[in-house]
Amino acid sequence: GENVEQHPSTLSVQEGDSAVIKCTYSDSASNYFPWYKQELGKRPQLIIDIRSNVGEKKDQRIAVTLNKTAKHFSLHITETQPEDSAVYFCAALSGAGSYQLTFGKGTKLSVIP
Amino acid sequence: GAGVSQTPSNKVTEKGKYVELRCDPISGHTALYWYRQSLGQGPEFLIYFQGTGAADDSGLPNDRFFAVRPEGSVSTLKIQRTERGDSAVYLCASSSGKNTEAFFGQGTRLTVV
Repeated sequence: GENVEQHPSTLSVQEGDSAVIKCTYSDSASNYFPWYKQELGKRPQLIIDIRSNVGEKKDQRIAVTLNKTAKHFSLHITETQPEDSAVYFCAALSGAGSYQLTFGKGTKLSVIP
Repeated sequence: GAGVSQTPSNKVTEKGKYVELRCDPISGHTALYWYRQSLGQGPEFLIYFQGTGAADDSGLPNDRFFAVRPEGSVSTLKIQRTERGDSAVYLCASSSGKNTEAFFGQGTRLTVV
């Protein structure tokens, strides 16, 4: 089955700096890659997603890049703000008839004012 | 409803007891997922429904776990002979299709004592 590795597990940045979180996946048939933000005690919420037919997608201060050959994808947050502090999860959905959305272990991002 | 609703929000049960966790998805969403999240970990896939049928139940850890969705809307996750290791937050998510955003409920925090 799919295996998703996520790094780093914790990340501290100064307010205004950029944050980058990286994930790798194992199943070359995976074709959908969402990123979720989870604040303490709350539900995961989708912040951006990318499908395997594109290499990059942006939404204001957030961008995701996908390298299908290397089987890795990254989340980029620019001009970080304290409210960006949360746990971020990457995930991959296999396209080979599976419906499993496999999550990484998460990155705890702390933005220091 | 406006979002995915899960009840109860918290459940404490004694080891060996039977529990039922309920998920009410977003109206019209045909896809429904159950996940389990332990502290400090990403959501772990349990089962996926497309309509009334379980399209993928490969994540259920053993035969003590069972889920139903008899009318293609509300789903119930059933756990028999609960064990302390079953303690976790059980998350439900729904979506309108396979490669589309999955919206999560607030989860049910299950504690087995």
